Amino acid sequence: QQQVKQSPQSLIVQKGGISIINCAYENTAFDYFPWYQQFPGKGPALLIAIRPDVSEKKEGRFTISFNKSAKQFSLHIMDSQPGDSATYFCAASTDSSNTGKLIFGQGTTLQVKP
Amino acid sequence: DAEITQSPRHKITETGRQVTLACHQTWNHNNMFWYRQDLGHGLRLIHYSYGVQDTNKGEVSDGYSVSRSNTEDLPLTLESAASSQTSVYFCASSLNRGPVFFGPGTRLTVL
Repeated sequence: QQQVKQSPQSLIVQKGGISIINCAYENTAFDYFPWYQQFPGKGPALLIAIRPDVSEKKEGRFTISFNKSAKQFSLHIMDSQPGDSATYFCAASTDSSNTGKLIFGQGTTLQVKP
Repeated sequence: DAEITQSPRHKITETGRQVTLACHQTWNHNNMFWYRQDLGHGLRLIHYSYGVQDTNKGEVSDGYSVSRSNTEDLPLTLESAASSQTSVYFCASSLNRGPVFFGPGTRLTVL
């Protein structure tokens, strides 16, 4: 049972464009929603995270939008750069006291063309 | 600098053999986790620990075991390796509600 569904599976964007990756979840007990970035041969690295008490969080070119009623959240990468080419994972956690017990989406491979 | 390391980085073994993957962190994090990564599945939680002597099963724990005798280490043992356990394994750690840091991964092939 996949509790976090991520789309699209792959994405190609031109340099300077906006990359949008979407995730939907089923479990209303989830209370922590991080996004991870992974380069080939490396471990995932935390990019940005949000809790359900806010609808949006922005860090530099990266923004999470969160819609609690629709049980959806998305990652927006503004002014996408070739260096952003990587695999992105959304995740969710129900463990409010410890955030590492994560349910991951299937991942999105992003390619930013120069 | 504090870090999280995994060893070996690559391992080839045979079906039925016992294998232990090491994970060591120097952040003094209380929480440690083991995930496996497979195409189409993202990362799935195998086992986790919230402190010394504490271990818990995750989503895909069958065939795996862990032990936590100190804060820094959480070794993952495959009691009898199976081809279905061919995967990339990631160790991770965090401090309470803080961000989770992942290690560089171990690529395991079971022939």
